[in-house]
Amino acid sequence: DTGVSQNPRHKITKRGQNVTFRCDPISEHNRLYWYRQTLGQGPEFLTYFQNEAQLEKSRLLSDRFSAERPKGSFSTLEIQRTEQGDSAMYLCASSLSAVLSNTEAFFGQGTRLTVV
Amino acid sequence: KNEVEQSPQNLTAQEGEFITINCSYSVGISALHWLQQHPGGGIVSLFMLSSGKKKHGRLIATINIQEKHSSLHITASHPRDSAVYICAVRTSGTYKYIFGTGTRLKVLA
Repeated sequence: DTGVSQNPRHKITKRGQNVTFRCDPISEHNRLYWYRQTLGQGPEFLTYFQNEAQLEKSRLLSDRFSAERPKGSFSTLEIQRTEQGDSAMYLCASSLSAVLSNTEAFFGQGTRLTVV
Repeated sequence: KNEVEQSPQNLTAQEGEFITINCSYSVGISALHWLQQHPGGGIVSLFMLSSGKKKHGRLIATINIQEKHSSLHITASHPRDSAVYICAVRTSGTYKYIFGTGTRLKVLA
């Protein structure tokens, strides 16, 4: 297993177009997180899944954003009607949920979105 | 005020210097991570701490739960250590992470 994989690494799109990103977590990890990072800032939480269930969503996740994890493995993050303000690095992380264990999150390389 | 504060925001050091980056947080946490982010954007997890101290090569991380403070130390710094170092805390009772804005480190040869 090579870790958390995100595709594509870079995406340039025109304003108003829809984009979809994919995250493949570490195979045995049941928790998956999406974060967004704008220039000069730390990553901000967007949402997370335990298996296929989306347990928490940030208010940053407007109705143009949707995330899915249909089979509890890979996840997709879709942005509809993109705006220039959506330009950011979108990071995915995964971790193993275990009782009485502080489990570490592993991060992907991110997808850098540029909306022109 | 951010829930996770890092200092300094920017740091330039000469090769070989001992470097300290600080992280203070105001929320209850179950764990704290130190992360390294290179210009390409990908994040590498350096340490996860819930108490005490950890060491990996030239890197040392400490945490004081009572004072809500953690430090990342780099001994004998090298230009390849140049990166953004980010402190992230996992809040108690959730698996949500809150990130600091990062410390941009540049080590000059």
